[in-house]
Amino acid sequence: EIVLTQSPGTLSLSPGERATLSCRASQSVSSSYLAWYQQKPGQAPRLLIYGASSRATGIPDRFSGSGSGTDFTLTISRLEPEDFAVYYCQQYGSSPETFGQGTKVEIK
Amino acid sequence: QITLKESGPTLVKPTQTLTLTCTFSGFSLSTSGVGVGWIRQPPGKALEWLALIYWDDDKRYSPSLKSRLTITKDTSKNQVVLTMTNMDPVDTATYYCAQRDYYGSGSFDYWGQGTLVTVSS
Repeated sequence: EIVLTQSPGTLSLSPGERATLSCRASQSVSSSYLAWYQQKPGQAPRLLIYGASSRATGIPDRFSGSGSGTDFTLTISRLEPEDFAVYYCQQYGSSPETFGQGTKVEIK
Repeated sequence: QITLKESGPTLVKPTQTLTLTCTFSGFSLSTSGVGVGWIRQPPGKALEWLALIYWDDDKRYSPSLKSRLTITKDTSKNQVVLTMTNMDPVDTATYYCAQRDYYGSGSFDYWGQGTLVTVSS
């Protein structure tokens, strides 16, 4: 089973700042089958990025994903008020699929 | 428009069997590449992948829960059913179903709203 470790656990930033979230896998993620989701309180997760770097439909271009192998990054170029949420990475390249423990992006 | 909705009991007793139904619209589970998965989230905790079923009836399970889980599909009813036996208070969580298209993004593009299941005597 691939273990995904996200860092930091919490990121305290101000609107307009850049956010950089990390997701490290315990072994290589097959074919960059790595996704990022955003979750707000009381809501289901929303797909942001798939295939490590492809934005899902309707996702603003301030969200970008990068990485391969075992190291992946989600970058939010300029934080908007609606971006403060919890972010999860998920690998879906091998079974069982796994999620990271999440990074909370909070308002500083 | 793709939608999914989870249904089932909100409260189950320890040792009982939980049966959850995911009813969906806007896609067919007989279409090549399509799958429906179940994911849960204990209150205040992270997401946990549980099981997945594909259009060709290929089924995948979390190894840690495999002995307790069964996932099935009813293509004619547009439903996927997850059963979990021997429920315990630690299984208290919001349970989500989600759709994927293996030939599209491959990840979970669409999610249901989730249903909170509490395990308590």
